[in-house]
Amino acid sequence: DAGITQSPRHKVTETGTPVTLRCHQTENHRYMYWYRQDPGHGLRLIHYSYGVKDTDKGEVSDGYSVSRSKTEDFLLTLESATSSQTSVYFCAISDGSGVPDTQYFGPGTRLTVL
Amino acid sequence: SQQGEEDPQALSIQEGENATMNCSYKTSINNLQWYRQNSGRGLVHLILIRSNEREKHSGRLRVTLDTSKKSSSLLITASRAADTASYFCATEGNNRLAFGKGNQVVVIP
Repeated sequence: DAGITQSPRHKVTETGTPVTLRCHQTENHRYMYWYRQDPGHGLRLIHYSYGVKDTDKGEVSDGYSVSRSKTEDFLLTLESATSSQTSVYFCAISDGSGVPDTQYFGPGTRLTVL
Repeated sequence: SQQGEEDPQALSIQEGENATMNCSYKTSINNLQWYRQNSGRGLVHLILIRSNEREKHSGRLRVTLDTSKKSSSLLITASRAADTASYFCATEGNNRLAFGKGNQVVVIP
């Protein structure tokens, strides 16, 4: 998985609780992404980062926030988890050094919100 | 934004047969990529085809691109049980990828 780890790998939480997922890379890539994967929807981009402290929204950003204080770490936070946020979350990275750019994915985090 | 859409959604074939899946998109693209996802794993990049290319090969993979029809196809020849996976196309724009919903391919030994 190209030097990308995600933690935790599995989490069960209750509605209304805050949740933070962590993505850590050892590739020193500039770009980092958070996706969610749901049956019938494929992968949808939540947020992405193009550098330390530089982030932008994706297509399904409502209810999520992100932070990137170091090149290697990209955090995804659900401030108040809802059942609709039950999903598998994938982090991805790319070096952004040229076009075209391919992405390398982490192993995923399965989140269940009860 | 660009969005890939694969067709068919699910395919079951015998080992040794060829598997073909299609992807369509809505807007002009710079390139189109195909990814594979094994059960419970992250996506893995397979092959990329640029908008000025019509066909590309990589091992047992063959990708075609028809920009006039805004469509691409992925052919896996001589399939193996290990090819059982979901396959996604993705279009690129502004360092972001837009993924289709995926094709589930099951190769029966």
